[in-house]
Amino acid sequence: TQLLEQSPQFLSIQEGENLTVYCNSSSVFSSLQWYRQEPGEGPVLLVTVVTGGEVKKLKRLTFQFGDARKDSSLHITAAQPGDTGLYLCAPGSSNTGKLIFGQGTTLQVKP
Amino acid sequence: SAVISQKPSRDICQRGTSLTIQCQVDSQVTMMFWYRQQPGQSLTLIATANQGSEATYESGFVIDKFPISRPNLTFSTLTVSNMSPEDSSIYLCSVLNFENTEAFFGQGTRLTVV
Repeated sequence: TQLLEQSPQFLSIQEGENLTVYCNSSSVFSSLQWYRQEPGEGPVLLVTVVTGGEVKKLKRLTFQFGDARKDSSLHITAAQPGDTGLYLCAPGSSNTGKLIFGQGTTLQVKP
Repeated sequence: SAVISQKPSRDICQRGTSLTIQCQVDSQVTMMFWYRQQPGQSLTLIATANQGSEATYESGFVIDKFPISRPNLTFSTLTVSNMSPEDSSIYLCSVLNFENTEAFFGQGTRLTVV
């Protein structure tokens, strides 16, 4: 059973478009992380959200943590081909350090 | 941050054989992990590599199939034993930073079993 459900699973858009991907759960988390994996590479941490309702911005990427700390969203403005990759969410690692990822959203941005 | 080197980066292996993947970190780390990423899928945790003791495996993964060594705080190996085509995946090594707030990953080993 997946702790986190990500949607959509696949998204193909044109350069310049906006998009939002979602990470949902029935569980409450103390924190949630977003990673991006580019083809041929390992995942890289984008952001950690901790407080319910928190909004963090990373250039054209806006991350939001739900008020109840059960869900999160990632909004990309004016997507570029360099945004292409697999976007993964995971509860922040606890004392065990283990990351249990959602299914991921594969984003393809076409020039 | 941590720099992780994995070897080999890719391999094509015959079914029934075994492959050992190496993971070298540029600094001492407490926690090291091995993940599997099947084609087009997300990452699934295989095990936690413990220094000086047996690895801790997740449900669905066993030591006989995926033996892991961790002789020191900067190095670990994962062996994929008696391979079948279903083992074709990317295998990734990961470590945590000192504060346990961020995971770093190697580039992965792309394994194809024929």
